[in-house]
Amino acid sequence: GAVVSQHPSWVICKSGTSVKIECRSLDFQATTMFWYRQFPKQSLMLMATSNEGSKATYEQGVEKDKFLINHASLTLSTLTVTSAHPEDSSFYICSAGLTRTDTQYFGPGTRLTVL
Amino acid sequence: GNSVTQMEGPVTLSEEAFLTINCTYTATGYPSLFWYVQYPGEGLQLLLKATKADDKGSNKGFEATYRKETTSFHLEKGSVQVSDSAVYFCALSQTGANNLFFGTGTRLTVIP
Repeated sequence: GAVVSQHPSWVICKSGTSVKIECRSLDFQATTMFWYRQFPKQSLMLMATSNEGSKATYEQGVEKDKFLINHASLTLSTLTVTSAHPEDSSFYICSAGLTRTDTQYFGPGTRLTVL
Repeated sequence: GNSVTQMEGPVTLSEEAFLTINCTYTATGYPSLFWYVQYPGEGLQLLLKATKADDKGSNKGFEATYRKETTSFHLEKGSVQVSDSAVYFCALSQTGANNLFFGTGTRLTVIP
């Protein structure tokens, strides 16, 4: 099946620094990628939808200037958490799909801890 | 709005026991319903889905029936194996939409 990877799998950073998380589709080209956030014992919440070559669409309440998303190629999307603070600590998960309504293939997630 | 409520875990079962993980939903219209599974160290994988009322999704011995009258999509398996140990997520999406609305996940541990 289709494989999606994320890097890093976990990261610890100091408050005020920026962190970049990569999401790659390894064996297929993804026209659409999705970024989710999951708090402990809570649901995955969609943060934004990323289409290759265009600006990401953010969900209501998600700060686009804080969570920068770039989808530069059909196999790579990046999420940059800018000026991270402890409340940004969370589990970030990406997924990739071939078309708007196709099955989403999920990465293993990245755990971010901001000190 | 759209939301999914699923049974809190963790759930621990002996091998060959019967499994039920409850899932109920709130949605407008006629959503599609999904069960995703996440094995340790891996991404979520689609386990099964149902797109309309009374449909039954099935895969790897797991089944779930889309019950519109009770707004439920409970996951069942007649005889679990150790290899079924994972976190199970119930989810819904509206027709033609990208969004998946997830439940909180239920961790299943099957012991030999």
